[in-house]
Amino acid sequence: DGGITQSPKYLFRKEGQNVTLSCEQNLNHDAMYWYRQDPGQGLRLIYYSQIVNDFQKGDIAEGYSVSREKKESFPLTVTSAQKNPTAFYLCATPPPEGRNEQFFGPGTRLTVL
Amino acid sequence: GQQVMQIPQYQHVQEGEDFTTYCNSSTTLSNIQWYKQRPGGHPVFLIQLVKSGEVKKQKRLTFQFGEAKKNSSLHITATQTTDVGTYFCAVGGSGNTGKLIFGQGTTLQVKP
Repeated sequence: DGGITQSPKYLFRKEGQNVTLSCEQNLNHDAMYWYRQDPGQGLRLIYYSQIVNDFQKGDIAEGYSVSREKKESFPLTVTSAQKNPTAFYLCATPPPEGRNEQFFGPGTRLTVL
Repeated sequence: GQQVMQIPQYQHVQEGEDFTTYCNSSTTLSNIQWYKQRPGGHPVFLIQLVKSGEVKKQKRLTFQFGEAKKNSSLHITATQTTDVGTYFCAVGGSGNTGKLIFGQGTTLQVKP
């Protein structure tokens, strides 16, 4: 939302290929999160980063990797080890000042053929 | 780990009818948030409840936090077609990480 961008909106890949999803924010927020959403289900946390050069595994990190080399960028790589990669991927960032709601990017819908 | 159960999973209503979705936790919550996701869109933050028994209103939406801080509800009065979407509750995970744990969501369909 607002200053969070994800690209592309739709992505198609062949099975066995790694793919990197982009998430950029110009809000100067420290923390960034990646969630996965499957049809009819809630959001599940993949990875999160509370500060540059540091990140932590979420609840479903297997088959994914991330980096946080810059404050404004938190790319997510879906590796070939992820068994069911087809999903809607959402990046989010909470505002500072102790507030913990999350602002979401528009999402990337990944389809692996 | 912490879980939050949300019911119902789906609800179809006639325009003008009311709608309610419920979230329940087995543990006491420090706060609970509500989000709305329009079809094809991303979740958008609606509100956060913090106090026991808290009730907050946003136009036709009424949010409640239970006295024991283990449950919450979102009630929409006189639904409109613009209310269509999926409503999620979310609670904070363990530790001060800012992580959120989301309910499964309630998808609302409104028939005009």
